[in-house]
Amino acid sequence: GAVVSQHPSWVICKSGTSVKIECRSLDFQATTMFWYRQFPKQSLMLMATSNEGSKATYEQGVEKDKFLINHASLTLSTLTVTSAHPEDSSFYICSASLPRGSLAKNIQYFGAGTRLSVL
Amino acid sequence: EDQVTQSPEALRLQEGESSSLNCSYTVSGLRGLFWYRQDPGKGPEFLFTLYSAGEEKEKERLKATLTKKESFLHITAPKPEDSATYLCAVQLLGNQGGKLIFGQGTELSVKP
Repeated sequence: GAVVSQHPSWVICKSGTSVKIECRSLDFQATTMFWYRQFPKQSLMLMATSNEGSKATYEQGVEKDKFLINHASLTLSTLTVTSAHPEDSSFYICSASLPRGSLAKNIQYFGAGTRLSVL
Repeated sequence: EDQVTQSPEALRLQEGESSSLNCSYTVSGLRGLFWYRQDPGKGPEFLFTLYSAGEEKEKERLKATLTKKESFLHITAPKPEDSATYLCAVQLLGNQGGKLIFGQGTELSVKP
């Protein structure tokens, strides 16, 4: 149980284009999903918290217009990197937590990550 | 400022050589502490969650413990397949939607 799927696993794009990454909870409904960014040999940095049906909450220093997050259903959140540039190249990982009524509601389950390379 | 520090940054062990990884934290109020395992190019895999000082959790060769200031991940008789980066994260009281603050991780290498 508690499986999170992330797609694509790897994407290469040209500078100036936009890229969409999907995060799905496969066997549970996730009212809250999280988006992280990870640079090589570094830890996970939270970018934003996404709640179903409402606007995402972005961490300080994260550009809202650059990283568009949509959480339209209880099983799907998307991250769109708009007008990507080489400095946006990174490993992006999503996670989802179980609903509030669950005993394991505080645990975040992670997707496999998306490697983005911007040329 | 809420902070999580893991040590050592890297640890090399021989197969069967037991050791411990440390996670020290300074937070305004702890709701829970989490241990994850991350393999290269993959997302973190949940291992344990600890909520109160004195609590212990075990899974195969791994055992996690918690005090008021730190957590230890003990690895008993490790095998090469235990090689990975181990991440510690804290969740704060009164949070902020359940977000996690991660440490830098300990990269564990177990040689046969």
